[in-house]
This record gives sequence, C-alpha cells and structure tokens, in this order.
Amino acid sequence: GENVEQHPSTLSVQEGDSAVIKCTYSDSASNYFPWYKQELGKGPQLIIDIRSNVGEKKDQRIAVTLNKTAKHFSLHITETQPEDSAVYFCAASSNDYKLSFGAGTTVTVRA
Amino acid sequence: DAMVIQNPRYQVTQFGKPVTLSCSQTLNHNVMYWYQQKSSQAPKLLFHYYDKDFNNEADTPDNFQSRRPNTSFCFLDIRSPGLGDAAMYLCATSRVNSANEKLFFGSGTQLSVL
Repeated sequence: GENVEQHPSTLSVQEGDSAVIKCTYSDSASNYFPWYKQELGKGPQLIIDIRSNVGEKKDQRIAVTLNKTAKHFSLHITETQPEDSAVYFCAASSNDYKLSFGAGTTVTVRA
Repeated sequence: DAMVIQNPRYQVTQFGKPVTLSCSQTLNHNVMYWYQQKSSQAPKLLFHYYDKDFNNEADTPDNFQSRRPNTSFCFLDIRSPGLGDAAMYLCATSRVNSANEKLFFGSGTQLSVL
C-alpha cells in the first residue's frame, strides 16, 4: 500500500515569513495529493489539492508543488498569519477508495 | 449550512462498557467514513460505507462495528472499549466512492476510557 512521509513534524515561523512542508510517497500510481488543515478541536479541512497532471497549483497564499519523478510534493504558505497555526496533513491516493495520510506537521506562527 | 455533525463532542466511558458515537450529514453524500485519530498522529481509516455497502479495514479491531441505517446517519459502536481506544473519532463524507474526492470531516468525538 501507499506510504506517505511528512516533514517536519513541527514548524515554528515568524508572522509574515513563509512555511514549507514536504511529503514523499511510495506508490507511483498515486495521482491525487490533497492537503488538510486541522485546527484545535476541529476536524481536518481540505485547503488545497493537486492532481498528477499538473506540477503546481496556487490559491492566494497557499501553493502546492508536485514532482512525480521524485515522488514528492510540498505545501508552501507565504506571508504567514496567526490563523495559519494548525496541524497540516498531506495525503496521497490512487483510484481506489483509500487515502493515505502523512503524520502531520504542527505549524506555529509567532506574532 | 450543509455539514457533517458528530455527537457528542466529548464522550467518557468505562473500560469494557459499550459506547456508541453518532454522525449525521446534510450533504446527501453517498460515502461515509469513520477515522480514529490518536494524539499527534494521522487519521486512521476504520470503515467506510458506499451507500449501504460496508467496507472494513483489515486492521480494524473486532470490537469496533458500524451501522448506517440511512443516507444521513452513521454510528460507530465500540463493544468493549479498552484504554487503547481512547482517541478522537472523526466521521467524514465524500460525494462518490473514490479516494480522489474531497473529504468533509465532522469536528470529531473525543473518547476517554476510564
């Protein structure tokens, strides 16, 4: 099955700086790569996703890049704000029903 | 607003005492999932329903069961909770039965086992 590794496990950034989270996956058949944000006491929420037919996708301050050859993808948050503090999970899947999550990154934005 | 609702937010049970967690959805999605999330870990899929078709993960413990009486509701039954079952339980839905679909999560039920 798919194995997703996520780094770092914790990330502290100064407000206004950028944050980068990296994930690698094992199954070359994986073609869907979502990122979920989980705030304290809440369920995860999809913030951005990318499919294997594109290399980069951007939504305001958030961008995701995908390198299929190297089997890794990254989340970039620019101009971080206090409300970006949360746990972020990457995930990968192929066309079956099961999504494999990374272990999560706790992001803390310091004011 | 359409959403996934889990009740209760916090549930305390005793070791070995059966407990049921509830989930409802107003999205009219075909697929419902139950995930277990332990502290600082990724969500772990326990089961999913595609309509009434039940799918159990191979490593889901035998004392975990699920019911989906209709499209809107899904229940997680833990027959004999152990201390290791203390966790956040997340219900999620998706429109179709594909891993390449957006998941809509509820806020979870935090289960404590005393």
